[in-house]
Amino acid sequence: GAGVSQTPSNKVTEKGKYVELRCDPISGHTALYWYRQSLGQGPEFLIYFQGTGAADDSGLPNDRFFAVRPEGSVSTLKIQRTERGDSAVYLCASSLGAGEETQYFGPGTRLLVL
Amino acid sequence: SQKIEQNSEALNIQEGKTATLTCNYTNYSPAYLQWYRQDPGRGPVFLLLIRENEKEKRKERLKVTFDTTLKQSLFHITASQPADSATYLCALDGRAGGGADGLTFGKGTHLIIQP
Repeated sequence: GAGVSQTPSNKVTEKGKYVELRCDPISGHTALYWYRQSLGQGPEFLIYFQGTGAADDSGLPNDRFFAVRPEGSVSTLKIQRTERGDSAVYLCASSLGAGEETQYFGPGTRLLVL
Repeated sequence: SQKIEQNSEALNIQEGKTATLTCNYTNYSPAYLQWYRQDPGRGPVFLLLIRENEKEKRKERLKVTFDTTLKQSLFHITASQPADSATYLCALDGRAGGGADGLTFGKGTHLIIQP
């Protein structure tokens, strides 16, 4: 079946602009995660959804970052007033549910803030 | 604070030999540890999970060990092939370190298998 998909694959924006990144998890997966990966680093946890609710948003760096998952499937990561330091690859992962350890990652969205 | 260390320098191994990658952690008591593979421009791909009560786990040419006393996992690829060249990431359950519900990753080790 289809894996996790993310759109766009690349996004270039200017400092101060607003961006939205989309994630389509594997069908039937109730858990969804967002990570951020900078060059030469491992993925860094941002937020975790179980169903429609954000069960853990402790990894969001500040209040410019927000994510939603209104119907328990597709999720959108929103970044307001982007800064150059936000440039990174944003990865989405899904798993069958809470307590299911294996996560399936999408290809990521490469965000460049000029 | 919690810390995961992997040798972030590239590891060069000759084809056919066994590649051994190391993951050390501090201030964690993980219930399990995972290894992922990441190719350039792609997301990580799950390889193996080993639980705290397991000493060793195998999958085809892959073998993982987990020593909770040493706080270390070793990841072995036997009969290595150029196609095994990638970055390998070690990941722990963030909750084991009193942190988040997501995984906590090391920086990864870039493995290069020379033909």
